[in-house]
Amino acid sequence: AQSVTQLGSHVSVSEGALVLLRCNYSSSVPPYLFWYVQYPNQGLQLLLKYTTGATLVKGINGFEAEFKKSETSFHLTKPSAHMSDAAEYFCAVSDGEGGGFKTIFGAGTRLFVKA
Amino acid sequence: DGGITQSPKYLFRKEGQNVTLSCEQNLNHDAMYWYRQDPGQGLRLIYYSQIVNDFQKGDIAEGYSVSREKKESFPLTVTSAQKNPTAFYLCASSPAWPPGELFFGEGSRLTVL
Repeated sequence: AQSVTQLGSHVSVSEGALVLLRCNYSSSVPPYLFWYVQYPNQGLQLLLKYTTGATLVKGINGFEAEFKKSETSFHLTKPSAHMSDAAEYFCAVSDGEGGGFKTIFGAGTRLFVKA
Repeated sequence: DGGITQSPKYLFRKEGQNVTLSCEQNLNHDAMYWYRQDPGQGLRLIYYSQIVNDFQKGDIAEGYSVSREKKESFPLTVTSAQKNPTAFYLCASSPAWPPGELFFGEGSRLTVL
């Protein structure tokens, strides 16, 4: 069975500092991995995804993530935080078979950005 | 613009009343989903439909019902049998590829008074 663990329900950084949101997964087959962002009272928006190929994935708003199979990780990073990055971030995994109903979401990490 | 439209954005209901949340998509996706979101609990799958006229229960289907009469529409009814219906409800759809990628609506916040 698949699962996703996001370390830290809350992360606080200063504006301009590195953002690092951690995600570890378990999957019995090669996973498809996703990061979504959610602003207050809004739906989720896809930030980036890993399916196959290059393990370093670039997404929108300057975010990127690296798929590390040996560590079963897919951590999200951004070199310099901006106030507009304050939101909740969800890591998700799919086994690549069937449909989206097999997508498993982590519990989410709320990012706070201090001025 | 293609996307998913949910309505209403905010809804208040008295105990014992059924309410229906609307979800419409123009992305031409076959699959659609309803999730419930509560603080600190992430997303939980209520129902999903992979094709018109067919739908399946998710992890927390009790007290909810759905229909899928058209490809574009997947309404969710929160019935009076749902013990704790106050929550944020998210509708989503997905393309055939890549498997697992979801497109979300803006959500509907239901409050039971």
